[in-house]
Amino acid sequence: EAQVTQNPRYLITVTGKKLTVTCSQNMNHEYMSWYRQDPGLGLRQIYYSMNVEVTDKGDVPEGYKVSRKEKRNFPLILESPSPNQTSLYFCASSPWTSGRGGTGELFFGEGSRLTVL
Amino acid sequence: SQELEQSPQSLIVQEGKNLTINCTSSKTLYGLYWYKQKYGEGLIFLMMLQKGGEEKSHEKITAKLDEKKQQSSLHITASQPSHAGIYLCGAVVRGSNYKLTFGKGTLLTVNP
Repeated sequence: EAQVTQNPRYLITVTGKKLTVTCSQNMNHEYMSWYRQDPGLGLRQIYYSMNVEVTDKGDVPEGYKVSRKEKRNFPLILESPSPNQTSLYFCASSPWTSGRGGTGELFFGEGSRLTVL
Repeated sequence: SQELEQSPQSLIVQEGKNLTINCTSSKTLYGLYWYKQKYGEGLIFLMMLQKGGEEKSHEKITAKLDEKKQQSSLHITASQPSHAGIYLCGAVVRGSNYKLTFGKGTLLTVNP
C-alpha cells in the first residue's frame, strides 16, 4: 500500500530535549516536505526537499533541521524544542520533479502531535 | 504575506444548501490542490487542477481553476453533514522554487 508513515504519532517532551520525528514513504517520490498546523495559522511549510541531499527552507524553518540522505526518508529534527513548537506536524511526498514541479498528488502522513512543556 | 487567500474563513450552512469556497493568489499557480480535514486529523485528498479552465468533480464536490490560473473555487451541491470539516487549498506559486503553500483553510459546518 502506498503511504507516508510518520513516527511518533503523539509525543510529549520537555524544553531542550532533542527529538526526531521520522517520515518514510514507499512510493519512490523525489519531493518530500514537512508542515506544521496551528489554529488560525493554517498549514505552514517548514522544509522541503526536491531530491536526495537537496533541501530548502519553507516559511517557518527556525528551530528545525532536516536531512535527506536517502530518497525514502525525511526526518524532522528539533535540536532544542521550545513550547512554541507545540503543534501538529505533517510530512508529505509527491512524484514532483524539478522538471515538472507542481504536478501529481501530494500524499500526506497521518500527522504527529507534539507537545513541548 | 499569505500567498494563497481562502474565503470565507468559516461557513455555516443548512443541510441541502449549496456553497462555494474560494482560493485566490496574486501569482500564477502550478498544480492547485484541494484537501479536506477533520480538525486535528489527517488530510484527505479531494482533487488537483493543473490547466487553466480545468474543472473536476468528485461526488457532489466540484472544483474549477480559472483561465489565468490564479483562482480556484470549490463548490458543494446539496451539502450534507458528512461534508463538514476544514477545506484547504494548496499550490506551488510561480517563482517560489517549488515551495508548496496552503491557504489558512475554510471551516465548514453543516447543520442537519
